[in-house]
Amino acid sequence: DSGVTQTPKHLITATGQRVTLRCSPRSGDLSVYWYQQSLDQGLQFLIQYYNGEERAKGNILERFSAQQFPDLHSELNLSSLELGDSALYFCASSVPGQVETQYFGPGTRLLVL
Amino acid sequence: GIQVEQSPPDLILQEGANSTLRCNFSDSVNNLQWFHQNPWGQLINLFYIPSGTKQNGRLSATTVATERYSLLYISSSQTTDSGVYFCAVESKSGGGADGLTFGKGTHLIIQP
Repeated sequence: DSGVTQTPKHLITATGQRVTLRCSPRSGDLSVYWYQQSLDQGLQFLIQYYNGEERAKGNILERFSAQQFPDLHSELNLSSLELGDSALYFCASSVPGQVETQYFGPGTRLLVL
Repeated sequence: GIQVEQSPPDLILQEGANSTLRCNFSDSVNNLQWFHQNPWGQLINLFYIPSGTKQNGRLSATTVATERYSLLYISSSQTTDSGVYFCAVESKSGGGADGLTFGKGTHLIIQP
C-alpha cells in the first residue's frame, strides 16, 4: 500500500458525459501528479500540482482539468468524454520540494461506452 | 522531450531463472524509477535510482547516469514476478517540475 488513495476504483459512463476522479496523497506530500495509461499511448503524465498551485503540464487535453484543494486532495475532471478516454488514471504524490520517489495510487479504471 | 527505451519488450522465462531488463534514456536525469505493474494494474515502486546501485532481496538495479542507461536484475524468478516492468525518468532540464516519462515497459512472464 503506497498510502495514496484514489476513488472510485472503476467508473463506467457514456460518451459526452463528465466525470470526476479523486485522489488523496500520502500524509505530508504536497505534490500531486496525474497520469493516464491507455493501450494506444502507454503511461503519460498529465498534470502536476504543488501545494494547491499548478506546477507542470504534460499531455493533458483541454477537455480535462484538475485542481488541488487546501486539504491537498486533488480532483481530475474529464468532460465531453470520448471512447478514446477509456484508460487507467493514476494519481501519484511525492515529498514536497524534492525530486524523489513518486508513489502511485491504485488507479481509477474508466470505461467510456 | 526525453526519450526512454526499454528492452526487451517481452520476456518469457522459467521459474528460477535470472533476467536483466534494460532502460536507455536520451538526456540527463534527476529521477529514475523502476516499477512493477501487477496483473491487477497496480504500479509498485521497486527502486528510486537516478545513479548507483541498489538491492532489495532478489531484485537489484544499477544506473550509469553518464552513459544514460539503467539495468534491473531479477534473480531466482518466481511466478509472482510476472507483469510489466516500467522504467520512468524525469529530465534534469525540467528543473524538477516535470512528471515522469515512462518507457513502454518489458512484459515478463514467469512460467512454473
